[in-house]
Amino acid sequence: EAAVTQSPRSKVAVTGGKVTLSCHQTNNHDYMYWYRQDTGHGLRLIHYSYVADSTEKGDIPDGYKASRPSQENFSLILELASLSQTAVYFCASSESQISNERLFFGHGTKLSVL
Amino acid sequence: GDKVKQSPSALSLQEGTNSALRCNFSIAATTVQWFLQNPRGSLMNLFYLVPGTKENGRLKSAFDSKESYSTLHIRDAQLEDSGTYFCAAEADSNYQLIWGSGTKLIIKP
Repeated sequence: EAAVTQSPRSKVAVTGGKVTLSCHQTNNHDYMYWYRQDTGHGLRLIHYSYVADSTEKGDIPDGYKASRPSQENFSLILELASLSQTAVYFCASSESQISNERLFFGHGTKLSVL
Repeated sequence: GDKVKQSPSALSLQEGTNSALRCNFSIAATTVQWFLQNPRGSLMNLFYLVPGTKENGRLKSAFDSKESYSTLHIRDAQLEDSGTYFCAAEADSNYQLIWGSGTKLIIKP
């Protein structure tokens, strides 16, 4: 079973501070994704990556950067955290293109920006 | 084994027919969410359920926490219903979700 591990599990950040969310997968998948979920809403795609050292913008990339230093690791970076970025963030991976392959999700990171 | 098990893993239907998707839980789920994933990867939330049922247009979902399952019924399937449906359960009243493996639904004209 593929494992996608997110850290931290939860975080409280101050407005204007830098936040880094980390994701690690052990299934040798090429594709990795970052989503955010706001209360009562579905997930929205922030950034994704299909190869190390390259990232792509998703539906809502503004205010976020992503980094894929290796196949296993994919980070989401908030350079200047804002109140509106309070949400739960999910990382996911898949073997190949998302429409054809099962997604494996992490358990989520709850971010509160104060 | 899977804590959230979805069935079937894939389903192909003729337009206009009905279908039922199911999630079985081996955890004490407190809430369940159903999502539809589009080909670009975005997930749309369909239902957020505490034990009980909800209906929205041609979709109806039920969550029975005592029997540890949830269902999603699609009535009069349309081509735009194609995609992958995920259920995700929340346990122990925390925010973290445990995801099912998804049901890939193809609607044929």
